[in-house]
Amino acid sequence: DQQVKQNSPSLSVQEGRISILNCDYTNSMFDYFLWYKKYPAEGPTFLISISSIKDKNEDGRFTVFLNKSAKHLSLHIVPSQPGDSAVYFCAASGSRQGGSEKLVFGKGTKLTVNP
Amino acid sequence: GAGVSQSPSNKVTEKGKDVELRCDPISGHTALYWYRQRLGQGLEFLIYFQGNSAPDKSGLPSDRFSAERTGESVSTLTIQRTQQEDSAVYLCASSLLGTLSYEQYFGPGTRLTVT
Repeated sequence: DQQVKQNSPSLSVQEGRISILNCDYTNSMFDYFLWYKKYPAEGPTFLISISSIKDKNEDGRFTVFLNKSAKHLSLHIVPSQPGDSAVYFCAASGSRQGGSEKLVFGKGTKLTVNP
Repeated sequence: GAGVSQSPSNKVTEKGKDVELRCDPISGHTALYWYRQRLGQGLEFLIYFQGNSAPDKSGLPSDRFSAERTGESVSTLTIQRTQQEDSAVYLCASSLLGTLSYEQYFGPGTRLTVT
């Protein structure tokens, strides 16, 4: 039972264009959403997050949009750069269950930005 | 400052042997998490520590898996009688509780191969 789904395993875009990575979730208890970026042989690094009380959060070239009614979020990268090529994981965290702040991750989308 | 470190970076073991994986979190981080990522999959939560106690062990896949944390610092994940399906990258993360961002900082992982 996958609670966080990233249905596109890969995405290829041209340098300078917009990259849009999508994520869907099923658990309405999730109240915080995060995007992580992962390079090969490294651990994931935090990129950007959004609380369920917002519908948009922007940080430089990165913007995350949240549509609670559709249980959908997306990460926009504009303009895309070759250094953005990595695997992007969507993650969600819900109301603390037993004090846990565990993250539930999607399977990831591999982004390739072509020069 | 120093990030999350994990050792060993790679471990090859024979089926049936026990292995210990180590995580050194960021100093002062009270929360510590173990995840694993099997090939082609997303990150899968294993266990969460708050201080030295583990209020959420719900992700441990079997009683062959155990973890402990001492001194509110280093943590060890032990897998007994390893099986081939245990092959994965085991990731440790730490976070400073009390923040709103739920940001978890990940180590580079230990790649475990069971032959």
